[in-house]
Amino acid sequence: ELKVEQNPLFLSMQEGKNYTIYCNYSTTSDRLYWYRQDPGKSLESLFVLLSNGAVKQEGRLMASLDTKARLSTLHITAAVHDLSATYFCAGAGADGLTFGKGTHLIIQP
Amino acid sequence: GAGVSQTPSNKVTEKGKYVELRCDPISGHTALYWYRQSLGQGPEFLIYFQGTGAADDSGLPNDRFFAVRPEGSVSTLKIQRTERGDSAVYLCASSQGSSSYNEQFFGPGTRLTVL
Repeated sequence: ELKVEQNPLFLSMQEGKNYTIYCNYSTTSDRLYWYRQDPGKSLESLFVLLSNGAVKQEGRLMASLDTKARLSTLHITAAVHDLSATYFCAGAGADGLTFGKGTHLIIQP
Repeated sequence: GAGVSQTPSNKVTEKGKYVELRCDPISGHTALYWYRQSLGQGPEFLIYFQGTGAADDSGLPNDRFFAVRPEGSVSTLKIQRTERGDSAVYLCASSQGSSSYNEQFFGPGTRLTVL
């Protein structure tokens, strides 16, 4: 059974700072996904990571995958207030996705 | 194009009642998934359809929960004898195929509150 753990679960940071969210998973996963969720909204797909060493970047967000360590990271560069949201990683099992508990990110001006 | 839609957006019911939640997937998507998201948690897998058949219903918490997709498009999640613990946001997602290589697109969810 695939298990996904994120840390930290809560993060408050100031604009302009850098930080990394970590996602560990327990067994082999075909793919690793990162989603963003704003309060009261559904999930918005950010990244799909396909293979070991994959790195994807979009704006101030960069995601990477290390399948040997069973670790994915989401790095935030020079954070801005608009990035405040909850971020989920999810592993792809046999059928549905298995999500972490999410990282609630607050970026203060 | 239209994304995944879900109705109703909010549903308030009393303990013991029956509810139905509807999901309209993206046109042409053969795979459809239901998830449940409790407050402060990540979504949890409930059931997955490939076409009309339920390919995996291992996430359904008990036999009060049932889902159908009779024509391989719209799906309905049915909950009998609702309990307060069923209160959550129910999310539907669809993908082009059943492989984990196919990205899942999520609907806005139905917020169910059982009083």
